[in-house]
Amino acid sequence: DQQVKQNSPSLSVQEGRISILNCDYTNSMFDYFLWYKKYPAEGPTFLISISSIKDKNEDGRFTVFLNKSAKHLSLHIVPSQPGDSAVYFCAPSTGNQFYFGTGTSLTVIP
Amino acid sequence: NAGVTQTPKFQVLKTGQSMTLQCAQDMNHNSMYWYRQDPGMGLRLIYYSASEGTTDKGEVPNGYNVSRLNKREFSLRLESAAPSQTSVYFCASSERTGISPLHFGNGTRLTVT
Repeated sequence: DQQVKQNSPSLSVQEGRISILNCDYTNSMFDYFLWYKKYPAEGPTFLISISSIKDKNEDGRFTVFLNKSAKHLSLHIVPSQPGDSAVYFCAPSTGNQFYFGTGTSLTVIP
Repeated sequence: NAGVTQTPKFQVLKTGQSMTLQCAQDMNHNSMYWYRQDPGMGLRLIYYSASEGTTDKGEVPNGYNVSRLNKREFSLRLESAAPSQTSVYFCASSERTGISPLHFGNGTRLTVT
């Protein structure tokens, strides 16, 4: 039973437009939420995080939104760039474990 | 600064063979982890070590053993490899378990025939 779902396996966006990646979770005990980015043949790299006491966190072109009542997390990338093309994983945690979603493959078209 | 280093990068095993995947980090992190990534499954936690001298099971520990050799090194052992263990294995480390971002190595691609 997957506690974390990323229902869009892939997403294509034109360069310069907004990319929105979504993540839904079922465990109300999750209290720390991270996004990772992964290029082929490399390990995931940490992108941005948000604590459950916040509903928004920004870091440059990346913004993460948390809606605890809906158990929904989203990552906005504005403007999207070709170098953003990668697989993005959301990874909430509770206690001592992170639980990864299945990932969304983002393609930014020049 | 190498970060998290995993060896080997690739390995092919026959069913029943054993092997150890090595992982070392140079960031003085307390916690270390082993994940596996399978198509359509995301990353799943096999084992983790919250601090030197401790290890705990994750979501999918069956068929694996781990050793936290010291603060820097955390190894994953397959005693009798099975085709179901064909996967990409990632080692990661963090300052503290569950509340600090994970730093990943580049993975070991293991095929069991």
